[in-house]
Amino acid sequence: KAGVTQTPRYLIKTRGQQVTLSCSPISGHRSVSWYQQTPGQGLQFLFEYFSETQRNKGNFPGRFSGRQFSNSRSEMNVSTLELGDSALYLCASSREGDTNTEAFFGQGTRLTVV
Amino acid sequence: GEDVEQSLFLSVREGDSSVINCTYTDSSSTYLYWYKQEPGAGLQLLTYIFSNMDMKQDQRLTVLLNKKDKHLSLRIADTQTGDSAIYFCAEGGSTLGRLYFGRGTQLTVWP
Repeated sequence: KAGVTQTPRYLIKTRGQQVTLSCSPISGHRSVSWYQQTPGQGLQFLFEYFSETQRNKGNFPGRFSGRQFSNSRSEMNVSTLELGDSALYLCASSREGDTNTEAFFGQGTRLTVV
Repeated sequence: GEDVEQSLFLSVREGDSSVINCTYTDSSSTYLYWYKQEPGAGLQLLTYIFSNMDMKQDQRLTVLLNKKDKHLSLRIADTQTGDSAIYFCAEGGSTLGRLYFGRGTQLTVWP
């Protein structure tokens, strides 16, 4: 069974640009969550999607957005990139996204903003 | 919000046991998880424990849960150099689709 796939693995962007990251969950999983990981802040929750609906959102500015498609694949977008957006972006998939299911993570997308 | 605390560093000698500790605040947590992250990689789910259990053993890994004190520990028996990584404790709290993570414990195993 294939794991969670994130593309691309690495990205370099300049300030002011926008970026789109993709996450394909494990087959049969309907919940996709996104996290930002930085050395200073650790793992911070961005948002979670289930059946194409955003159910929860973390404390990030509106420049961070996401969506989920009918096949459960998810994308997140960051507009007007800032240097501080440089991070490892991780997505996790689970069956239902409730507290009774295991969450599996992808390898992450390493975003560098210059 | 929910808080998860872990010590930041642990060093052990190869062959010894490692014990990584974690405390959490949300008493409604249903599942508590341990993840491993190697350099440049994502998070690997190691094991988890349901909140109505006290202990779970999985090969070299033993998870102990003290729900009264909201304390979770991960014991790695016969620690190997390949176990060197960052270990994250996480709890599934009251928010759907969201895990609350500690800052991670950097485990260094010396040969």
